[in-house]
Amino acid sequence: IAGITQAPTSQILAAGRRMTLRCTQDMRHNAMYWYRQDLGLGLRLIHYSNTAGTTGKGEVPDGYSVSRANTDDFPLTLASAVPSQTSVYFCASSDQAGANVLTFGAGSRLTVL
Amino acid sequence: AQSVTQPDIHITVSEGASLELRCNYSYGATPYLFWYVQSPGQGLQLLLKYFSGDTLVQGIKGFEAEFKRSQSSFNLRKPSVHWSDAAEYFCAVGDVYNFNKFYFGSGTKLNVKP
Repeated sequence: IAGITQAPTSQILAAGRRMTLRCTQDMRHNAMYWYRQDLGLGLRLIHYSNTAGTTGKGEVPDGYSVSRANTDDFPLTLASAVPSQTSVYFCASSDQAGANVLTFGAGSRLTVL
Repeated sequence: AQSVTQPDIHITVSEGASLELRCNYSYGATPYLFWYVQSPGQGLQLLLKYFSGDTLVQGIKGFEAEFKRSQSSFNLRKPSVHWSDAAEYFCAVGDVYNFNKFYFGSGTKLNVKP
């Protein structure tokens, strides 16, 4: 089934540790995104990538980094996790040919202690 | 600045009753408009979208939404709610000039009473 795969589904992490959330899509969408979802705040964009080889900062990029080595993969790295990064993280993709519609992964729940 | 407001954080309706979820936006032109639904533990799923044309759009699961330019609104409706509609609903605006820019509301959580 075409879509977005995120891993891990859930993770508990000690503060200060490095963590990479994985995201893979098989729809050949140009653009990919990372959002975090926090209660009462909706979805906030962390980083995005318009196409392979390019990335950009979203609304809340501090403490996170991304890379886009190819079309399918868009990992999100927390270099040194802090408790405020406890959240649910969603990877999404879109294609201009698909008229701006976002397709979301199932999310990764991260708890930083 | 662009923004999306969903004024109702929680709504409870009885099964079989009608539903309307409110969404107002601030945007310099007519945007692309979306409603997404998120079931517990799941990602967001597109319910419907408006790009142009008929201001009343039909979506999946019996939902519809009406774009009202004069009110900068895009309210979601369903004539008869089912227990399986209990979820969180997000309104979103897509930037017509940048296909990869989206603005989300903070969501409305719908509870359905039996």
